Amino acid sequence: DAGVIQSPRHEVTEMGQEVTLRCKPISGHDYLFWYRQTMMRGLELLIYFNNNVPIDDSGMPEDRFSAKMPNASFSTLKIQPSEPRDSAVYFCASSSEGVGNTIYFGEGSWLTVV
Amino acid sequence: DAKTTQPPSMDCAEGRAANLPCNHSTISGNEYVYWYRQIHSQGPQYIIHGLKNNETNEMASLIITEDRKSSTLILPHATLRDTAVYYCIVRFSTSGTYKYIFGTGTRLKVLA
Repeated sequence: DAGVIQSPRHEVTEMGQEVTLRCKPISGHDYLFWYRQTMMRGLELLIYFNNNVPIDDSGMPEDRFSAKMPNASFSTLKIQPSEPRDSAVYFCASSSEGVGNTIYFGEGSWLTVV
Repeated sequence: DAKTTQPPSMDCAEGRAANLPCNHSTISGNEYVYWYRQIHSQGPQYIIHGLKNNETNEMASLIITEDRKSSTLILPHATLRDTAVYYCIVRFSTSGTYKYIFGTGTRLKVLA
């Protein structure tokens, strides 16, 4: 299996621009998670989906952030407008239903907002 | 939410066993303990998980206390490549779904 695939791997954008991060989960997985990692705050869970439905978005920092999962093989995390404090590594992860199933992470999208 | 507490950093000599402790005193009966590690800023990598019994795989061993309030990850023969941040997390359920909350982890440095 190719694992969780994220794109872009690196993005540098100017403040105020829209940023879209993409994720393809592992085939057959029905959970998808978006995390953000910074030095100050560590790994934060932003939102997660189960069977394409958002379950908990309490970690989304503010209305500038939105996430969608239109089908089982694709999800996006959008920031509009972006701000320098959004600079971070954004990880997507997926897992499958069931007791004891593990979560697998992508390699992350490095976002720098200048 | 069940939370975990880990020491912020540890050193270990190469070739020796690395024992990484974790406290999860608020864990409930059906919550699993997972261990992940993160090398540089790569995506966290799964190591091992358990519910109440001790577990072993090719990477590590997991010892869970009988009351399940704490656990220890053991890397039996640490190498320089094991230098990483190690996260102990508890997967808990809410409304019939699962989520994973990461703490601050332990930064393990393996010394030559």
